[in-house]
Amino acid sequence: QKEVEQDPGPLSVPEGAIVSLNCTYSNSAFQYFMWYRQYSRKGPELLMYTYSSGNKEDGRFTAQVDKSSKYISLFIRDSQPSDSATYLCAMWGGSGTYKYIFGTGTRLKVLA
Amino acid sequence: GAGVSQSPSNKVTEKGKDVELRCDPISGHTALYWYRQSLGQGLEFLIYFQGNSAPDKSGLPSDRFSAERTGGSVSTLTIQRTQQEDSAVYLCASSLALNEQFFGPGTRLTVL
Repeated sequence: QKEVEQDPGPLSVPEGAIVSLNCTYSNSAFQYFMWYRQYSRKGPELLMYTYSSGNKEDGRFTAQVDKSSKYISLFIRDSQPSDSATYLCAMWGGSGTYKYIFGTGTRLKVLA
Repeated sequence: GAGVSQSPSNKVTEKGKDVELRCDPISGHTALYWYRQSLGQGLEFLIYFQGNSAPDKSGLPSDRFSAERTGGSVSTLTIQRTQQEDSAVYLCASSLALNEQFFGPGTRLTVL
């Protein structure tokens, strides 16, 4: 079993839809949770970063972490065709470790 | 300022040849990571450099892979006697704070 599981998709939604992307993990030591967006033939770029449990909102994006369920989510409101990309979750354990563990990424396509 | 740059952007080589991939991190970033991204496999950690400390090479898949970082800045990933299974996108990231890694655009390696 992988430490981080993420549905690879692809996920196709109409423009304006609310998108929900998710990851589950098995290592309870993870404390920092990130979402990266990766456009085709580009490197990943950091979208959101959350420490421990809770919600964080940034514009149309909301990141949620539920440590009790070992489950994280990224919600995209009013999705746009420009949101079409691969979304990768990443986690690390905080002090004492520097390795990120990445999910495989979910490919999202927002249809105009 | 300038982001992380990588060269070449694409590399096609024949099986058995050696290749060198270059990464120029963001100026002042002390940490540098190399990852390999294969289709459907997510980002696979290869090696980590932090300042003048000994690198963490635990992710290198075989002794055909090596990396160095000169003067705490530019890094080179070398793959000797390339095999077809080495075909992937090789990503470099640098960071100052552990909660954010900045990625380069990657080098797409194809081994024929």
